[in-house]
Amino acid sequence: SQTIHQWPATLVQPVGSPLSLECTVEGTSNPNLYWYRQAAGRGLQLLFYSVGIGQISSEVPQNLSASRPQDRQFILSSKKLLLSDSGFYLCAWSRGRGINEQFFGPGTRLTVL
Amino acid sequence: GDSVTQMEGPVTLSEEAFLTINCTYTATGYPSLFWYVQYPGEGLQLLLKATKADDKGSNKGFEATYRKETTSFHLEKGSVQVSDSAVYFCAGGDNFNKFYFGSGTKLNVKP
Repeated sequence: SQTIHQWPATLVQPVGSPLSLECTVEGTSNPNLYWYRQAAGRGLQLLFYSVGIGQISSEVPQNLSASRPQDRQFILSSKKLLLSDSGFYLCAWSRGRGINEQFFGPGTRLTVL
Repeated sequence: GDSVTQMEGPVTLSEEAFLTINCTYTATGYPSLFWYVQYPGEGLQLLLKATKADDKGSNKGFEATYRKETTSFHLEKGSVQVSDSAVYFCAGGDNFNKFYFGSGTKLNVKP
Protein backbone atom coordinates (compact mmCIF):
# COMPACT_ATOMS: atom_id res chain seq x y z
CA SER A 1 0.00 0.00 0.00
CA GLN A 2 1.01 3.59 -0.51
CA THR A 3 1.99 5.94 2.28
CA ILE A 4 3.01 9.56 2.34
CA HIS A 5 5.24 11.14 4.96
CA GLN A 6 5.91 14.73 5.87
CA TRP A 7 8.37 16.20 8.28
CA PRO A 8 8.72 17.93 10.48
CA ALA A 9 5.23 17.82 11.97
CA THR A 10 5.58 21.23 13.56
CA LEU A 11 8.09 24.02 13.09
CA VAL A 12 8.59 27.43 14.67
CA GLN A 13 10.96 29.70 12.77
CA PRO A 14 11.98 33.36 13.05
CA VAL A 15 11.28 35.80 10.25
CA GLY A 16 14.11 35.80 7.71
CA SER A 17 15.26 32.26 8.43
CA PRO A 18 15.38 29.53 5.76
CA LEU A 19 12.87 26.72 5.39
CA SER A 20 12.98 23.16 4.19
CA LEU A 21 9.96 20.85 4.38
CA GLU A 22 10.19 17.34 3.07
CA CYS A 23 7.62 14.97 1.66
CA THR A 24 8.18 11.37 0.57
CA VAL A 25 5.85 8.80 -0.91
CA GLU A 26 6.21 5.04 -0.62
CA GLY A 27 4.61 2.22 -2.53
CA THR A 28 4.13 3.88 -5.91
CA SER A 29 6.25 5.16 -8.77
CA ASN A 30 6.13 8.29 -10.90
CA PRO A 31 3.41 9.99 -8.85
CA ASN A 32 2.21 13.52 -9.37
CA LEU A 33 3.19 15.52 -6.29
CA TYR A 34 1.63 18.67 -4.84
CA TRP A 35 2.30 21.26 -2.15
CA TYR A 36 -0.65 23.13 -0.64
CA ARG A 37 -0.89 25.74 2.08
CA GLN A 38 -3.87 26.08 4.37
CA ALA A 39 -4.15 29.28 6.35
CA ALA A 40 -6.03 29.10 9.65
CA GLY A 41 -9.73 28.44 9.03
CA ARG A 42 -9.31 28.70 5.29
CA GLY A 43 -9.31 26.46 2.25
CA LEU A 44 -6.36 25.00 0.39
CA GLN A 45 -4.09 27.02 -1.83
CA LEU A 46 -2.09 25.03 -4.41
CA LEU A 47 1.53 26.21 -4.32
CA PHE A 48 3.42 23.80 -6.57
CA TYR A 49 2.89 20.59 -8.44
CA SER A 50 5.22 18.19 -10.19
CA VAL A 51 4.63 15.48 -12.78
CA GLY A 52 8.20 14.16 -12.74
CA ILE A 53 11.74 14.56 -11.46
CA GLY A 54 12.95 18.12 -11.90
CA GLN A 55 9.57 19.25 -13.29
CA ILE A 56 7.98 21.90 -11.08
CA SER A 57 5.02 24.14 -11.84
CA SER A 58 4.37 27.14 -9.63
CA GLU A 59 0.85 28.31 -9.06
CA VAL A 60 1.48 31.34 -6.88
CA PRO A 61 4.50 33.66 -7.20
CA GLN A 62 6.04 34.12 -3.77
CA ASN A 63 9.21 33.57 -1.80
CA LEU A 64 8.76 29.80 -1.73
CA SER A 65 10.29 27.26 -4.10
CA ALA A 66 9.94 23.53 -4.63
CA SER A 67 12.23 20.81 -5.88
CA ARG A 68 11.87 17.16 -6.77
CA PRO A 69 15.32 15.58 -6.59
CA GLN A 70 13.98 12.02 -6.65
CA ASP A 71 10.87 10.37 -8.04
CA ARG A 72 9.10 10.16 -4.68
CA GLN A 73 10.61 13.11 -2.86
CA PHE A 74 9.23 16.64 -2.90
CA ILE A 75 10.83 19.51 -1.02
CA LEU A 76 9.41 22.94 -0.20
CA SER A 77 11.96 25.64 0.54
CA SER A 78 12.41 29.29 1.29
CA LYS A 79 15.55 31.38 1.67
CA LYS A 80 13.88 33.95 3.95
CA LEU A 81 10.59 33.34 5.70
CA LEU A 82 7.92 36.00 6.06
CA LEU A 83 5.26 36.24 8.75
CA SER A 84 2.67 35.53 6.07
CA ASP A 85 4.27 32.13 5.42
CA SER A 86 2.73 30.78 8.62
CA GLY A 87 0.20 28.04 7.99
CA PHE A 88 -0.43 24.35 7.59
CA TYR A 89 1.50 22.85 4.68
CA LEU A 90 0.14 19.75 3.05
CA CYS A 91 1.83 17.47 0.58
CA ALA A 92 -0.26 15.23 -1.65
CA TRP A 93 0.27 12.67 -4.40
CA SER A 94 -1.85 11.19 -7.15
CA ARG A 95 -1.37 8.58 -9.82
CA GLY A 96 0.09 10.04 -12.96
CA ARG A 97 -2.54 9.32 -15.60
CA GLY A 98 -6.11 10.55 -15.76
CA ILE A 99 -8.06 12.39 -13.12
CA ASN A 100 -7.19 10.56 -9.94
CA GLU A 101 -7.86 11.33 -6.34
CA GLN A 102 -5.13 13.00 -4.37
CA PHE A 103 -3.84 11.46 -1.16
CA PHE A 104 -2.62 13.80 1.52
CA GLY A 105 0.13 13.64 4.07
CA PRO A 106 -0.33 14.53 7.75
CA GLY A 107 0.86 18.11 7.23
CA THR A 108 3.43 20.45 8.76
CA ARG A 109 2.33 23.27 11.03
CA LEU A 110 4.66 26.23 10.40
CA THR A 111 4.67 29.26 12.68
CA VAL A 112 6.84 32.20 11.70
CA LEU A 113 7.54 34.63 14.55
CA GLY B 1 -11.16 29.35 -14.16
CA ASP B 2 -12.68 26.15 -12.83
CA SER B 3 -13.90 26.32 -9.24
CA VAL B 4 -16.21 24.86 -6.63
CA THR B 5 -18.35 26.78 -4.18
CA GLN B 6 -19.56 25.20 -0.98
CA MET B 7 -21.83 26.43 1.74
CA GLU B 8 -20.35 28.46 4.53
CA GLY B 9 -20.13 27.02 7.97
CA PRO B 10 -20.10 26.20 10.68
CA VAL B 11 -22.98 23.79 10.55
CA THR B 12 -24.18 22.61 13.95
CA LEU B 13 -26.42 19.56 14.22
CA SER B 14 -27.64 17.25 16.91
CA GLU B 15 -26.63 13.59 16.77
CA GLU B 16 -28.79 11.54 14.36
CA ALA B 17 -29.85 14.63 12.39
CA PHE B 18 -29.80 14.71 8.59
CA LEU B 19 -26.83 16.44 6.99
CA THR B 20 -26.59 18.31 3.71
CA ILE B 21 -23.56 20.34 2.68
CA ASN B 22 -24.05 22.07 -0.65
CA CYS B 23 -21.39 22.19 -3.34
CA THR B 24 -21.66 23.58 -6.86
CA TYR B 25 -18.98 23.61 -9.52
CA THR B 26 -18.01 25.79 -12.45
CA ALA B 27 -15.94 24.08 -15.11
CA THR B 28 -15.32 24.34 -18.82
CA GLY B 29 -15.14 20.56 -19.16
CA TYR B 30 -16.38 17.60 -17.15
CA PRO B 31 -14.41 17.37 -13.95
CA SER B 32 -14.24 14.53 -11.49
CA LEU B 33 -15.69 15.60 -8.16
CA PHE B 34 -14.57 14.70 -4.67
CA TRP B 35 -15.41 15.19 -1.03
CA TYR B 36 -12.58 15.24 1.49
CA VAL B 37 -12.76 15.34 5.29
CA GLN B 38 -10.21 16.91 7.61
CA TYR B 39 -10.07 16.16 11.33
CA PRO B 40 -8.32 18.69 13.61
CA GLY B 41 -4.58 18.85 13.10
CA GLU B 42 -4.58 16.25 10.34
CA GLY B 43 -4.32 16.09 6.57
CA LEU B 44 -7.27 15.57 4.26
CA GLN B 45 -8.80 12.16 3.74
CA LEU B 46 -10.76 11.22 0.66
CA LEU B 47 -14.37 10.58 1.63
CA LEU B 48 -15.97 9.82 -1.73
CA LYS B 49 -15.75 10.64 -5.40
CA ALA B 50 -17.71 10.64 -8.68
CA THR B 51 -16.15 10.74 -12.11
CA LYS B 52 -19.11 11.44 -14.41
CA ALA B 53 -22.64 12.77 -14.46
CA ASP B 54 -25.22 10.77 -12.46
CA ASP B 55 -22.51 8.86 -10.60
CA LYS B 56 -23.15 8.50 -6.89
CA GLY B 57 -20.19 8.33 -4.55
CA SER B 58 -20.72 6.79 -1.13
CA ASN B 59 -18.67 5.92 1.92
CA LYS B 60 -19.29 5.57 5.67
CA GLY B 61 -22.95 6.55 5.26
CA PHE B 62 -22.13 9.69 3.27
CA GLU B 63 -23.41 10.09 -0.28
CA ALA B 64 -23.12 12.62 -3.08
CA THR B 65 -24.51 12.53 -6.62
CA TYR B 66 -22.86 14.25 -9.58
CA ARG B 67 -25.66 16.39 -11.08
CA LYS B 68 -24.68 17.88 -14.40
CA GLU B 69 -27.97 19.73 -14.89
CA THR B 70 -27.53 21.68 -11.65
CA THR B 71 -23.69 21.52 -11.60
CA SER B 72 -23.89 20.24 -8.05
CA PHE B 73 -22.34 17.59 -5.81
CA HIS B 74 -24.08 17.95 -2.47
CA LEU B 75 -22.89 15.84 0.45
CA GLU B 76 -25.58 14.06 2.49
CA LYS B 77 -25.78 11.73 5.46
CA GLY B 78 -28.97 10.44 6.96
CA SER B 79 -27.86 10.30 10.59
CA VAL B 80 -24.74 12.10 11.77
CA GLN B 81 -22.63 11.08 14.74
CA VAL B 82 -20.43 13.11 17.04
CA SER B 83 -17.43 11.47 15.38
CA ASP B 84 -18.43 13.11 12.07
CA SER B 85 -17.42 16.50 13.47
CA ALA B 86 -14.75 17.77 11.08
CA VAL B 87 -14.19 20.13 8.16
CA TYR B 88 -15.50 18.93 4.81
CA PHE B 89 -14.03 20.06 1.48
CA CYS B 90 -15.57 19.76 -1.94
CA ALA B 91 -13.06 19.52 -4.79
CA GLY B 92 -12.92 19.19 -8.55
CA GLY B 93 -10.16 17.74 -10.67
CA ASP B 94 -9.29 18.50 -14.29
CA ASN B 95 -7.45 16.62 -16.98
CA PHE B 96 -4.13 17.91 -15.76
CA ASN B 97 -4.81 16.47 -12.33
CA LYS B 98 -4.90 19.88 -10.75
CA PHE B 99 -7.53 20.09 -8.09
CA TYR B 100 -9.53 23.09 -7.01
CA PHE B 101 -10.95 23.05 -3.50
CA GLY B 102 -13.85 24.78 -1.86
CA SER B 103 -13.25 26.84 1.26
CA GLY B 104 -14.38 24.05 3.57
CA THR B 105 -17.45 23.62 5.80
CA LYS B 106 -16.99 22.95 9.47
CA LEU B 107 -19.49 20.48 10.93
CA ASN B 108 -20.15 20.32 14.64
CA VAL B 109 -22.30 17.44 15.88
CA LYS B 110 -23.60 17.71 19.44
CA PRO B 111 -24.59 14.69 21.51
